[in-house]
Formats: sequence, structure tokens, C-alpha cells
Amino acid sequence: EPEVTQTPSHQVTQMGQEVILRCVPISNHLYFYWYRQILGQKVEFLVSFYNNEISEKSEIFDDQFSVERPDGSNFTLKIRSTKLEDSAMYFCASSPSGGGEQFFGPGTRLTVL
Amino acid sequence: GDSVTQMEGPVTLSEEAFLTINCTYTATGYPSLFWYVQYPGEGLQLLLKATKADDKGSNKGFEATYRKETTSFHLEKGSVQVSDSAVYFCALSPNTGGFKTIFGAGTRLFVKA
Repeated sequence: EPEVTQTPSHQVTQMGQEVILRCVPISNHLYFYWYRQILGQKVEFLVSFYNNEISEKSEIFDDQFSVERPDGSNFTLKIRSTKLEDSAMYFCASSPSGGGEQFFGPGTRLTVL
Repeated sequence: GDSVTQMEGPVTLSEEAFLTINCTYTATGYPSLFWYVQYPGEGLQLLLKATKADDKGSNKGFEATYRKETTSFHLEKGSVQVSDSAVYFCALSPNTGGFKTIFGAGTRLFVKA
């Protein structure tokens, strides 16, 4: 059964460094998303992406963040100049159409020291 | 804005007990409603969904009915098992804009043998 994959599973970085979190969505899906979950808190929407552009972003998704689909398979989240409060689990998701079920990856745990 | 409120946990039950996790939502328009489950150390999995009023979603013995008049989508299971121990998230998708999913805070369920 096709699934969303994410790499790495755990990333440790120093404050101020840049990180790139990678996702491979399900191959025939057209909508892509990033969410984050700070430990013990709710899952928060960051950004949605369709047709090679951002279709919606939350207040959290400021200039520190960017997304890219560099080729036909990968979907990346870049966090510039990481802060301690960026430590969280980051989930990628994809869906075949707008609305409806989203398929989530296993997450990348980001730890900023 | 749109939001989801669900009962706080943790909820602790004995095996074969009846489970209810309450969920209410606030949304404009006609959202789709979901329950996602997160097992320890894993990502989010869709448990069930309902796309319009009075629809009942069901899966693995779990059920939830989309009640527009009470803006609710309560999760129920007649007889829980130890393997049901997980965090349960109620969620909605506004079906507009970027089709993001908005999650509730999550309810942790512990089932004792």
C-alpha cells in the first residue's frame, strides 16, 4: 500500500542553523501539506501546496519557513535560522484532491539545541 | 475561525468498557469531519470520516455521526481493547481554500487489561 515517507526520522541541530525536512508524498497525489506537533500539544497546520505554489499558510509559517517541490517526487520544508521553539514533530501529508482524507507520514522529530 | 474542541484526557477504561470521546466544532460552511488516531511512536492514521450532516463514519468498531444541529462528532466504541490505547484527534477540513485540516487537542486513551 502506498505511503508517505519522511526523512530523517530525527534531526538534531544547533540554534541558528538551517534544516531541510524531506517528504515523499504518495505518487498520484496533488495536494501536499506540512503540520507540526510540539510535544504534548495539538497538531498545527503550517502550509498547503498545490500546483507548485502555496495555496494556504498559517500564521506560524513566516519568512523563516519555505517549501519546495524540487522534482516530481520530493516535497521539502526548509527552516532557516532555527530557534529553540521550533523543536517539534513535523508531519508531511498528501491527498489526491482538495478536502477529504489526508495521508500522513511518520514524522520527523526536530530537536533544536 | 474554524476550530475543534474535544474532551480532555487522559481517559482510562477497562477492557470491554464503552468508550465515548466528545468532540464539537465551529465552522462556516460545510466541513468534512474526521477522527485520526496516533499510536505510541507513530504518525497519524485516519480512523473514520464523515462528509455531510447525518453521515456516520465507522471503522474497527468505532463510530461517529456528523450532527450539524449540535455541531458534534462524538467518537464511540462499544467494547474497547488494550490495543485501542492511543491518542485520538478529532479534526475538520473546511473544504475551501488550501484544504487544511484543523485538529482538536487530542484525547489520550488508556485501556487496562
